[in-house]
Amino acid sequence: DAGVIQSPRHEVTEMGQEVTLRCKPISGHDYLFWYRQTMMRGLELLIYFNNNVPIDDSGMPEDRFSAKMPNASFSTLKIQPSEPRDSAVYFCASSLKVDTQYFGPGTRLTVL
Amino acid sequence: GQQLNQSPQSMFIQEGEDVSMNCTSSSIFNTWLWYKQEPGEGPVLLIALYKAGELTSNGRLTAQFGITRKDSFLNISASIPSDVGIYFCAGVDIYNQGGKLIFGQGTELSVKP
Repeated sequence: DAGVIQSPRHEVTEMGQEVTLRCKPISGHDYLFWYRQTMMRGLELLIYFNNNVPIDDSGMPEDRFSAKMPNASFSTLKIQPSEPRDSAVYFCASSLKVDTQYFGPGTRLTVL
Repeated sequence: GQQLNQSPQSMFIQEGEDVSMNCTSSSIFNTWLWYKQEPGEGPVLLIALYKAGELTSNGRLTAQFGITRKDSFLNISASIPSDVGIYFCAGVDIYNQGGKLIFGQGTELSVKP
């Protein structure tokens, strides 16, 4: 069975540009999570969805960040406008139970 | 943000040795998870623990959910070179924080053949 799929795997962009990260969860999983990993702060939850509905977005750093889940098999995380401090690895995870989460390979974002 | 205290931060061991790492928290968790992350990849779930006192094995890996619900440990027996990576513990307080995983700082494991 396919795991969580993320695209792109790497993204390099210039400050001020819009960035869209994509995620396909494991089929049948009702929960989808977006995390960010940096050396300074480790892994942090940004937002999570249950049955396509955002449940907790308290980790979203600023209004520049937005996430959507239009259907059970697709989610996006958008940053507009991007800034150098947004450079990090962004992970999507999905789960059948809210706690047992399976991570995708991540998107390494570099904002110049 | 909030983190668990994970130790040790790094370990350098000889192939064949056993490894032990642990996590402690000031908060009670309902679930403890152990992940392994290799360079350029996402965390891979190794073991999930759901009950205080639970002891669970996955091959050479064994993990336990502490009785106080504030700690967990992971043991790796007879280490091999492919065990190299960063191991993270994560706790979940479903009733107060929903699906938010709280991660430890990680234990970086190096295995010398």
